[in-house]
Amino acid sequence: EAGVTQFPSHSVIEKGQTVTLRCDPISGHDNLYWYRRVMGKEIKFLLHFVKESKQDESGMPNNRFLAERTGGTYSTLKVQPAELEDSGVYFCASSPSRRHGGAYEQYFGPGTRLTVT
Amino acid sequence: GIQVEQSPPDLILQEGANSTLRCNFSDSVNNLQWFHQNPWGQLINLFYIPSGTKQNGRLSATTVATERYSLLYISSSQTTDSGVYFCAVSSNDYKLSFGAGTTVTVRA
Repeated sequence: EAGVTQFPSHSVIEKGQTVTLRCDPISGHDNLYWYRRVMGKEIKFLLHFVKESKQDESGMPNNRFLAERTGGTYSTLKVQPAELEDSGVYFCASSPSRRHGGAYEQYFGPGTRLTVT
Repeated sequence: GIQVEQSPPDLILQEGANSTLRCNFSDSVNNLQWFHQNPWGQLINLFYIPSGTKQNGRLSATTVATERYSLLYISSSQTTDSGVYFCAVSSNDYKLSFGAGTTVTVRA
């Protein structure tokens, strides 16, 4: 079974440009999450999808970040326009749903390292 | 949100030694996971352990939910055990809060 995959693995862009990160969850996982780790800080939650619906986007830093999950399959995270403080590693994770609510353990992708210069 | 504290922040071991990593959390949780971040940056699942004790080879973990802590044991450490170990918890099954990690260095 394939794990969570993310593309690209690295991205270097200039301040003001746009970048789109992609995540493909484990097949059959309804729950998809985005997290990020910026320099020197802890890994922080960004948002959570259940299928195509955003359940919790409390961690999104500002309106320069837009996440989508079309058809409840893969997800994209767009940063527009990128700022220097957006540099860091962006992780995607997925988990299956429990039959009667809740979710099981999360499995993480390898991350996308974003550098904004 | 839930506060997660991991100790020690850094740990240097001689190959073959045993060690214990600790994770304290500030509120009741229904999800607790331990991860190992390998040299390539990938987070590898070690344990899903909101309560109780589990073992996997040389690694084992115990979570005492009522006292809000979890312990990760590494026995007979090997150089491949080097890396950062993260504890992450959630009170709603979804949003994980991570600790700062324990950096483990195992010397041959």
